Amino acid sequence: QSVLTQPPSASGTPGQRVTISCSGSSSNIGSNTVNWYQQLPGTAPKLLIYNNDQRPSGVPDRFSGSKSGTSASLAISGLQSEDEADYYCAAWDDSLNGVVFGGGTKLTV
Amino acid sequence: EMQLVESGGGLVQPGRSLRLSCAASGFTFDDYAMHWVRQGPGRGLEWVSGISRNSGSIHYADSVKGRFTISRDNAKNSLYLQMNSLRAEDTALYYCAKSKRSIVVVADFDYWGQGTLVTVSS
Repeated sequence: QSVLTQPPSASGTPGQRVTISCSGSSSNIGSNTVNWYQQLPGTAPKLLIYNNDQRPSGVPDRFSGSKSGTSASLAISGLQSEDEADYYCAAWDDSLNGVVFGGGTKLTV
Repeated sequence: EMQLVESGGGLVQPGRSLRLSCAASGFTFDDYAMHWVRQGPGRGLEWVSGISRNSGSIHYADSVKGRFTISRDNAKNSLYLQMNSLRAEDTALYYCAKSKRSIVVVADFDYWGQGTLVTVSS
């Protein structure tokens, strides 16, 4: 049971826009920044979004993040086959004094 | 080029110890907090421990507190994880991850190693 709640799966067709939600509480998302990771099959995770809505250099602007209250979302527009991966949200938790991850969302294109 | 290379994984019996290492290169190691994150077979990501740039702030997941110890040697650009009293549930691929910042209380890991596999089994 993960502290941050994500849907286990999501799907879309090429060109579509999909969103992945991440629900938390006042001790994590409500008071700290949210980060998103993409993990392609057989590879290490990659930082996709940091500080709620910032993209590291090299990440396409098709990926965007947002946060409201104790929830956050990752949006992927212009879906491509290479976006098929597992996506994780993460935040610091002030009560647990540690980083908490969502359970991950498997995106199928 | 920024690089993180983990080592030290392997097959170990329950109750035994193992020490993981992470060699960093391509960036100023002592400017950033570092973390260990693990992923059990077919499972999601689980944060294990984090350490600030100067080792002044260290945190652990409840699942490993009292058994694992994180440390770093800035002179050697290296991060370590001493794992004692290992259990079957500690079986996982262990990743070393660099934070974007010097403080440990954020979850923004911008570089990851390829991981080192730890298998705890008799």
